[in-house]
Amino acid sequence: AQSVSQHNHHVILSEAASLELGCNYSYGGTVNLFWYVQYPGQHLQLLLKYFSGDPLVKGIKGFEAEFIKSKFSFNLRKPSVQWSDTAEYFCAVNAGRRALTFGSGTRLQVQP
Amino acid sequence: SQTIHQWPATLVQPVGSPLSLECTVEGTSNPNLYWYRQAAGRGLQLLFYSVGIGQISSEVPQNLSASRPQDRQFILSSKKLLLSDSGFYLCAWSVQLNYGYTFGSGTRLTVV
Repeated sequence: AQSVSQHNHHVILSEAASLELGCNYSYGGTVNLFWYVQYPGQHLQLLLKYFSGDPLVKGIKGFEAEFIKSKFSFNLRKPSVQWSDTAEYFCAVNAGRRALTFGSGTRLQVQP
Repeated sequence: SQTIHQWPATLVQPVGSPLSLECTVEGTSNPNLYWYRQAAGRGLQLLFYSVGIGQISSEVPQNLSASRPQDRQFILSSKKLLLSDSGFYLCAWSVQLNYGYTFGSGTRLTVV
């Protein structure tokens, strides 16, 4: 079965700090990987996705993620966070004919 | 463009009462449909998904059931609610199982 681990449950950063949120998955075959974001009071939105090709994928709002197959990881990064990035971030994976499996989420709080 | 509607937004129900949450998708045909439950600190838990009318896959044994009476309609039900059914329920749709999902605005269910 596929599973996803997000190591950081709550991250607090100051504006302009760099961000890296960890995500590891467990599945031995080909996977599709996603990061979703949920801003306060809003819907879950797709931030970026990886299906194949370049392991460094760029998403909206300056976010990027790198797929490292040997480490079963898909970490989310942003060079300089803003107060508006305060949200909850979810990593998700699916493989084969299974629906998306989500991690437990990371709550990011950016202080002005 | 495709839109997903989910209602009601909030619901307070007594223990032992029935439940019916409805989700509809517009602007697409034969979508894959999903019900997730979001609990604080536990991420999103897949409850049911459907790849077609009358086809329901259950991921977690529980007090809930799902039905898909029409192509773009997905209903989450319970005959008798438990306190543990409280949570935030999200409906989602996708073109394929391994594609990005679009989420509805969610229903906050409180069982009292």
